[in-house]
Amino acid sequence: GQQLNQSPQSMFIQEGEDVSMNCTSSSIFNTWLWYKQEPGEGPVLLIALYKAGELTSNGRLTAQFGITRKDSFLNISASIPSDVGIYFCAGLPLPGNQFYFGTGTSLTVIP
Amino acid sequence: DTGVSQDPRHKITKRGQNVTFRCDPISEHNRLYWYRQTLGQGPEFLTYFQNEAQLEKSRLLSDRFSAERPKGSFSTLEIQRTEQGDSAMYLCASSLPRDVYTEAFFGQGTRLTVV
Repeated sequence: GQQLNQSPQSMFIQEGEDVSMNCTSSSIFNTWLWYKQEPGEGPVLLIALYKAGELTSNGRLTAQFGITRKDSFLNISASIPSDVGIYFCAGLPLPGNQFYFGTGTSLTVIP
Repeated sequence: DTGVSQDPRHKITKRGQNVTFRCDPISEHNRLYWYRQTLGQGPEFLTYFQNEAQLEKSRLLSDRFSAERPKGSFSTLEIQRTEQGDSAMYLCASSLPRDVYTEAFFGQGTRLTVV
């Protein structure tokens, strides 16, 4: 199967700081999705990206679809305690029907 | 619409028993996916339906696992003769057809513990 590498694996930051994480693949993807997951819950969709180079925002979150189509980036500005959770990237190849997930970035925000 | 719904949220079963989980997708979504997630890992694909047709299955889906979507609406995932290694979160997701912008929405998951 396709491997998606997410980095960093974990982050411990002060409230108010900005956060950056990325996801890389050995294969080309046609769609990139970013999710947040809290303990005991399912992943919640944050941002969807469909075109190489696309930059999309959702409040304090901004994500980019890499030009090579093999990577994607997520930034969170001015972090707050409720940003705590695990962030996953997911890619959908073309052709393909299944979403491949990264290993996750665990975010801890220190008040 | 209330989103993807999964039932039960939690299931504890003895090794060797059969279990069945249910997923109700978002009503206009014809695509339905089952994923499995173990602690510290990202979700892993199990199987995919387009309407009532099961179009793709992962090698992770052993012959003890079976999934159905009889009328193209809700889906069930059954695990027969459960093993301790089956303990995981089972996630269901749904999406619109591929030629529309494809966003997969997940349910809250079913946490299975095999004792």
